[in-house]
Amino acid sequence: AQSVTQLDSHVSVSEGTPVLLRCNYSSSYSPSLFWYVQHPNKGLQLLLKYTSAATLVKGINGFEAEFKKSETSFHLTKPSAHMSDAAEYFCVVSGVGSQGNLIFGKGTKLSVKP
Amino acid sequence: DTAVSQTPKYLVTQMGNDKSIKCEQNLGHDTMYWYKQDSKKFLKIMFSYNNKELIINETVPNRFSPKSPDKAHLNLHINSLELGDSAVYFCASSQDWGAGYGYTFGSGTRLTVV
Repeated sequence: AQSVTQLDSHVSVSEGTPVLLRCNYSSSYSPSLFWYVQHPNKGLQLLLKYTSAATLVKGINGFEAEFKKSETSFHLTKPSAHMSDAAEYFCVVSGVGSQGNLIFGKGTKLSVKP
Repeated sequence: DTAVSQTPKYLVTQMGNDKSIKCEQNLGHDTMYWYKQDSKKFLKIMFSYNNKELIINETVPNRFSPKSPDKAHLNLHINSLELGDSAVYFCASSQDWGAGYGYTFGSGTRLTVV
């Protein structure tokens, strides 16, 4: 069965410093992986997705993620945090076959200090 | 605007009542979903419909009944509401069923049962 583990429940950075949100996945198949962001009291927005093309995936708002099969990781990074990046981030894996729904990690809350 | 829209945005109701949440997408997608987000922000799939046919029905109490009159609509009816049903419910759609398709989410319905 597919699953994702987000290694940090809360990450705090200063504005202008790099962001690293860690995610490990488990999958019997070549997975499709996603990062979603949820701002306070808002819906979920797709940041980026990996579907077995380039291993370095660029998303919106300067975020990117690298798929590393050997490490079963899909960490999200951004070179310089902005105050507006403060939100909850979800690493997501797609199931396969009859379970082709999205399976969410438990989320990482990103705080950005001025 | 092309989107997934849910109504109502907020719903406060007493235990034992029956309520419905409506969802509509105008993206031309074939697949729609209901997810539940609990107080710890964890998202879990409840139901999925593909071209009006039920694909996923997770271990959800049978007080919850989805209805898809056409592929652009997926409504959620809840009977005999309980305190534990308080959560944010998200509707989503994807182009098709299966791995690799990202979802477009609605902005959520915050249900509070008192």
